[in-house]
Amino acid sequence: EDQVTQSPEALRLQEGESSSLNCSYTVSGLRGLFWYRQDPGKGPEFLFTLYSAGEEKEKERLKATLTKKESFLHITAPKPEDSATYLCAVKGYNFNKFYFGSGTKLNVKP
Amino acid sequence: DGGITQSPKYLFRKEGQNVTLSCEQNLNHDAMYWYRQDPGQGLRLIYYSQIVNDFQKGDIAEGYSVSREKKESFPLTVTSAQKNPTAFYLCASSTWGVGTDTQYFGPGTRLTVL
Repeated sequence: EDQVTQSPEALRLQEGESSSLNCSYTVSGLRGLFWYRQDPGKGPEFLFTLYSAGEEKEKERLKATLTKKESFLHITAPKPEDSATYLCAVKGYNFNKFYFGSGTKLNVKP
Repeated sequence: DGGITQSPKYLFRKEGQNVTLSCEQNLNHDAMYWYRQDPGQGLRLIYYSQIVNDFQKGDIAEGYSVSREKKESFPLTVTSAQKNPTAFYLCASSTWGVGTDTQYFGPGTRLTVL
């Protein structure tokens, strides 16, 4: 069964303390893996799309990487404004839907 | 500005009423989606549409209905058959093609049953 699991569910960091969020997936033929940021009461904001193992993408303090079974979202020297829920989703060649994980709620303390 | 708009932002429904949530996009995307988000849970797919006049049920379609008469619009009706409709509803759209089908979201509608 195709599925997406994110860990940890919640993460508390001090400002400047780097860490990583994990997204493990099971899909028959990965077409794309997507990372989003969601602030409370708002729609998810697109961050990255990764298409093949070994691919990496960066944006400011965020870097997303992809292997054949999981993706990591690395946060370097986070700031309080990075606090949000980060969602991971996958899409496979065998279906026309996106499957989402439950998200990691990140809290960065000043 | 290109984007996805949802209205209203907040919606209150009495039990037994049908309500319709609006979703419009000007991104020229072929595919559109409706998701439901409950506190502490991931997004669950209600319906999706790949082209005009065609749509498919998602994982939790019972108690909901949709139409896709125009490429830009994909309204969602929450019917009285939906027993627990209080949730945050998100509309999304995407292109349709390998390497291009990233999904973008609207700002959401929060529905509360009184």
